[in-house]
Amino acid sequence: DQQVKQNSPSLSVQEGRISILNCDYTNSMFDYFLWYKKYPAEGPTFLISISSIKDKNEDGRFTVFLNKSAKHLSLHIVPSQPGDSAVYFCAASEEYGGSQGNLIFGKGTKLSVKP
Amino acid sequence: DVKVTQSSRYLVKRTGEKVFLECVQDMDHENMFWYRQDPGLGLRLIYFSYDVKMKEKGDIPEGYSVSREKKERFSLILESASTNQTSMYLCASSSVGYEQYFGPGTRLTVT
Repeated sequence: DQQVKQNSPSLSVQEGRISILNCDYTNSMFDYFLWYKKYPAEGPTFLISISSIKDKNEDGRFTVFLNKSAKHLSLHIVPSQPGDSAVYFCAASEEYGGSQGNLIFGKGTKLSVKP
Repeated sequence: DVKVTQSSRYLVKRTGEKVFLECVQDMDHENMFWYRQDPGLGLRLIYFSYDVKMKEKGDIPEGYSVSREKKERFSLILESASTNQTSMYLCASSSVGYEQYFGPGTRLTVT
């Protein structure tokens, strides 16, 4: 059973507009969440993270929002650029600060930003 | 800059062959991971290691084994490659905490 779900396999957005990628989780013990970006034929690169003690984290054009009661997080990209076109993976973990660092990944959302 | 390198970007092997995929990280990270990525299935954890000579099974360990003789190196072994092991293989490493750094991946084709 999937513990981390990205229900939209793809998303298309116009350049300059906002991209919103969504992620739901089922395990209430998750306390740390991350977003990764992946271009074809490359490994995923870390984008932004948030711990469960926060509800928002911002880094430049990227903001992650966490709604613990709904077990939902979202990644906002403003403004979207063609170079943002990639597959975005949501990931979660429990025992923040623990030694093993296992992540549970969603299946990814392919974002296409059109010029 | 964290660097995770994988021995090959592209690999073609025959069914039944033994395959070695090597991963090296240069950040003195304790944890190392092997994933495979398949369309529509996301990233699935095969094995991980949190210390030298230690290994733990992930979600899909069948048909694979691993070796970690040195802290910086984590090898994935396909004892007898099969066509359903055709995939993109990704290695990652991390220190305490959860930000994993990934290598560029190895696209393995088994014919």
